[in-house]
Amino acid sequence: AQKVTQAQTEISVVEKEDVTLDCVYETRDTTYYLFWYKQPPSGELVFLIRRNSFDEQNEISGRYSWNFQKSTSSFNFTITASQVVDSAVYFCALSERADKLIFGTGTRLQVFP
Amino acid sequence: DGGITQSPKYLFRKEGQNVTLSCEQNLNHDAMYWYRQDPGQGLRLIYYSQIVNDFQKGDIAEGYSVSREKKESFPLTVTSAQKNPTAFYLCASSSRGTGAASPLHFGNGTRLTVT
Repeated sequence: AQKVTQAQTEISVVEKEDVTLDCVYETRDTTYYLFWYKQPPSGELVFLIRRNSFDEQNEISGRYSWNFQKSTSSFNFTITASQVVDSAVYFCALSERADKLIFGTGTRLQVFP
Repeated sequence: DGGITQSPKYLFRKEGQNVTLSCEQNLNHDAMYWYRQDPGQGLRLIYYSQIVNDFQKGDIAEGYSVSREKKESFPLTVTSAQKNPTAFYLCASSSRGTGAASPLHFGNGTRLTVT
């Protein structure tokens, strides 16, 4: 069975601090996809990144970076120099058969000025 | 601009009444989904549809029903059989490629309160 664990329920940081959101997944498939979504206070989930199981290269997009490690079944998300606008709930998700996503319970990030 | 529209944003109902949540998309996506979000539990899949006139149960389908008569519409009915209907409901859609999981596009959600 597939499962996504986000052990950090809530994280609080001060602006300009770096913060890492953890994601650990379980799957029996060799082909799968991992995602990160951001849910701001407005409620709509916004897609951030997708990574397939065959691509372990780390990804950097501006202040965002992702570290995918199959050896530890982790797909962690780091925000560098956090800003107040980064305050949101962040979800990690897993798809095995490309037809539905299983989400983690989310990590609420609060960035204080 | 293309997107997903959920209406209404807030919905209040008395216990024992059925209620239908609307979801419309103009992204020309084949697949549509309904998720339920509760505090501390993340998003759980209720129903999904990969093509018109076809849909499958998700992990928590009991007490819910859907229809997919048109590609752009995927309404969700919360029936009186759903024991804890108060929640935030999110509709999503995605294109269907050749096997790669496509990102979901989400609506703004409907917050349902049943008293």
